[in-house]
Amino acid sequence: DSGVTQTPKHLITATGQRVTLRCSPRSGDLSVYWYQQSLDQGLQFLIQYYNGEERAKGNILERFSAQQFPDLHSELNLSSLELGDSALYFCASSGAGGVLSEAFFGQGTRLTVV
Amino acid sequence: GQQVMQIPQYQHVQEGEDFTTYCNSSTTLSNIQWYKQRPGGHPVFLIQLVKSGEVKKQKRLTFQFGEAKKNSSLHITATQTTDVGTYFCAGPGGSQGNLIFGKGTKLSVKP
Repeated sequence: DSGVTQTPKHLITATGQRVTLRCSPRSGDLSVYWYQQSLDQGLQFLIQYYNGEERAKGNILERFSAQQFPDLHSELNLSSLELGDSALYFCASSGAGGVLSEAFFGQGTRLTVV
Repeated sequence: GQQVMQIPQYQHVQEGEDFTTYCNSSTTLSNIQWYKQRPGGHPVFLIQLVKSGEVKKQKRLTFQFGEAKKNSSLHITATQTTDVGTYFCAGPGGSQGNLIFGKGTKLSVKP
């Protein structure tokens, strides 16, 4: 158990819809990262938050947005969903804002857009 | 932006054979991390290398960081079926602490 909790584990929705994925980081971790993993693909970095502030942005679509709340949990909002958005979405957390820190991953949310 | 290239993409070995995956960056990395993702699982941290030329061992796994801090490798001696999974290297994407992952090497082990 990594200590990172993601909900829901599975999500099936229709094209054009909007969904929210939730992540609770490990206790004490200030950094939260979101990654997208498509079938047999690598981990595409989407966005990072540190202590409530956006820290870094990757290849995140304009239809996607995220935020980190005062209690440090984070949400990833995906809107106007397309079939190609079907993927495994991982949240990871780490203790420090800098690079010298291992990331702990949640179990992921498997999104299927039909 | 920062990219880490990883090869090979797939590796099929017979149990007992050795396995190596390589990670390369066009720029100097302050550190590099390695993760393993079992089939159906999530990435799990294996190790972090920081120093130029650093070599670290974990049982049958040997991790190396190049002298120029632009490349790294993971070598598994005498693979076992429990080694099956995808191995990712990850480097810092910038000064802000985000982690950029290589595409991974998917290892399958034939008993």
